[in-house]
Amino acid sequence: QKEVEQDPGPLSVPEGAIVSLNCTYSNSAFQYFMWYRQYSRKGPELLMYTYSSGNKEDGRFTAQVDKSSKYISLFIRDSQPSDSATYLCATAGSNFGNEKLTFGTGTRLTIIP
Amino acid sequence: NAGVTQTPKFQVLKTGQSMTLQCAQDMNHEYMSWYRQDPGMGLRLIHYSVGAGITDQGEVPNGYNVSRSTTEDFPLRLLSAAPSQTSVYFCASSAPTGGTGELFFGEGSRLTVL
Repeated sequence: QKEVEQDPGPLSVPEGAIVSLNCTYSNSAFQYFMWYRQYSRKGPELLMYTYSSGNKEDGRFTAQVDKSSKYISLFIRDSQPSDSATYLCATAGSNFGNEKLTFGTGTRLTIIP
Repeated sequence: NAGVTQTPKFQVLKTGQSMTLQCAQDMNHEYMSWYRQDPGMGLRLIHYSVGAGITDQGEVPNGYNVSRSTTEDFPLRLLSAAPSQTSVYFCASSAPTGGTGELFFGEGSRLTVL
């Protein structure tokens, strides 16, 4: 079993819809949770970062972590065609120094105008 | 700043050939790493370095060598290429701030081994 599981999609939604992207993880030592966005033929870039449980909001994006169920979510409100990309969740433990992230497989999202 | 620069962007090799993927960063980051990205497998860590002269293995190190002689450069060497090494390779760097999760990635090197 992979330490981080993510539905690979693909996921297609109409413009303006609310998008929910999810990951589950198995290692209870994970304390740091991130979402990276990757456009086609580009490298991933950090979108959101949270520590431990709770919610974090940044504009149209909300990251949510439920450590009791080992569940990570990213919500996108008022989705735009420019949000079309692959979204990767990532986790790290308490000794995290950026060097060891565990990534999910990524979910390919398409926003249809 | 150019950020993280990877060369070449595309490469085709024959089985058994060797080559080096170059990675350079101009952000004075201590940490650098190499990942490979394959369909259905996500990003997997090959090797990483926490500073010049210090390297360590990641999840999938077999068939690859690295060295870190300077802060700026972190080349990845394929010793004897195999078709299983066909992949997209990403180099990443970050400052040792801890806890932010921000890796800065290059644009990738697409390798095909025939």
